[in-house]
Amino acid sequence: AQKITQTQPGMFVQEKEAVTLDCTYDTSDPSYGLFWYKQPSSGEMIFLIYQGSYDQQNATEGRYSLNFQKARKSANLVISASQLGDSAMYFCAMRGRYGNKLVFGAGTILRVKS
Amino acid sequence: GAVVSQHPSWVICKSGTSVKIECRSLDFQATTMFWYRQFPKQSLMLMATSNEGSKATYEQGVEKDKFLINHASLTLSTLTVTSAHPEDSSFYICSALTTELSSYEQYFGPGTRLTVT
Repeated sequence: AQKITQTQPGMFVQEKEAVTLDCTYDTSDPSYGLFWYKQPSSGEMIFLIYQGSYDQQNATEGRYSLNFQKARKSANLVISASQLGDSAMYFCAMRGRYGNKLVFGAGTILRVKS
Repeated sequence: GAVVSQHPSWVICKSGTSVKIECRSLDFQATTMFWYRQFPKQSLMLMATSNEGSKATYEQGVEKDKFLINHASLTLSTLTVTSAHPEDSSFYICSALTTELSSYEQYFGPGTRLTVT
């Protein structure tokens, strides 16, 4: 079975500072993918970044980077230079090798302060 | 980019009635569609997976007779909440997978907020 754990129910960050959102996972699949999504109050799910289990380098997308530590089974999201518009719920998710289902963590609510 | 639409975006219905929610992939063919349910400030819970032309696969604990899913074409899947009750009030989100675009990304619809009175 696959499991995603996000231990931070809520986080605050000062505008323009960096913030790390934690995510740990558990799977027996040798091949898997890790995702981060942003969900603002409107409810839409916005894809942020993807990391494949065999990718040698950490994924980066603009201000988003994924700190992938395979041995620790962690895939933390780093948001640099936080903006007020980054305030939202953030979900870490995983998809295993078999099947296409995404398993989501509980989410972290991020609030950016001005 | 790949766009998935949902209709309606919100709906209010009376207890005992049925509600149909449509999920469409607008610019690609979706080989697989997923339906999720989300309560306020909680995570997304997968309800079922549907492939075009075949019966949906429901997750454990999801009543298939209550939540009818039809994936009639490669661009349309519908979720019908039958005999809705107030506890069915929730945010329902669909997503789609395609082999045409990114091999790993799921494309999400904007969601449908259902309120049963």
